[in-house]
Amino acid sequence: DADVTQTPRNRITKTGKRIMLECSQTKGHDRMYWYRQDPGLGLRLIYYSFDVKDINKGEISDGYSVSRQAQAKFSLSLESAIPNQTALYFCATSDSGRANTGELFFGEGSRLTVL
Amino acid sequence: GQNIDQPTEMTATEGAIVQINCTYQTSGFNGLFWYQQHAGEAPTFLSYNVLDGLEEKGRFSSFLSRSKGYSYLLLKELQMKDSASYLCAVNGAAGNKLTFGGGTRVLVKP
Repeated sequence: DADVTQTPRNRITKTGKRIMLECSQTKGHDRMYWYRQDPGLGLRLIYYSFDVKDINKGEISDGYSVSRQAQAKFSLSLESAIPNQTALYFCATSDSGRANTGELFFGEGSRLTVL
Repeated sequence: GQNIDQPTEMTATEGAIVQINCTYQTSGFNGLFWYQQHAGEAPTFLSYNVLDGLEEKGRFSSFLSRSKGYSYLLLKELQMKDSASYLCAVNGAAGNKLTFGGGTRVLVKP
């Protein structure tokens, strides 16, 4: 089983709909991140959280919100989806412990298409 | 701000060597990562450099020069399965946020 699990893996929706992407991890890491990936643009950070009560905006947070319900769960919401939010979304975790290098561990990705 | 540049695409022949360059300008530096990503899959960790010099791991090596803001990933004895995108990422702040380049797609031909 994957250490970082994302659901759904694929979703097609319509403009204006509310969408939630969920991420759960069994790695015991305290830090969690949401990235989106578009062709030629690499991975761009949407939101990140260093603990249950900590939420921080990344470089492209407009149109998105997040919730850190527990240390193991971090969900991403699109309140009113629009076509330019069509992308591949990745959840990632890292560990702030002593051996920490900042290495990210990724989920398998959620492909979202907004029509 | 953060700026990370790497070539968009490279083509090489099976058994050959390919070098992927990455230049960066970031506010702060706490290490540079290379990830491999096959199409439609999650990125997977390849290497980490925080000090200047060469890190070798089997067929893959990564080099860092902090003074020049430069790194490269060297892939030796290329295999067909090495066809993938290679992502350069910099940990530029104490908060452990990785900033990624656009990725280099490597196509290995027979």
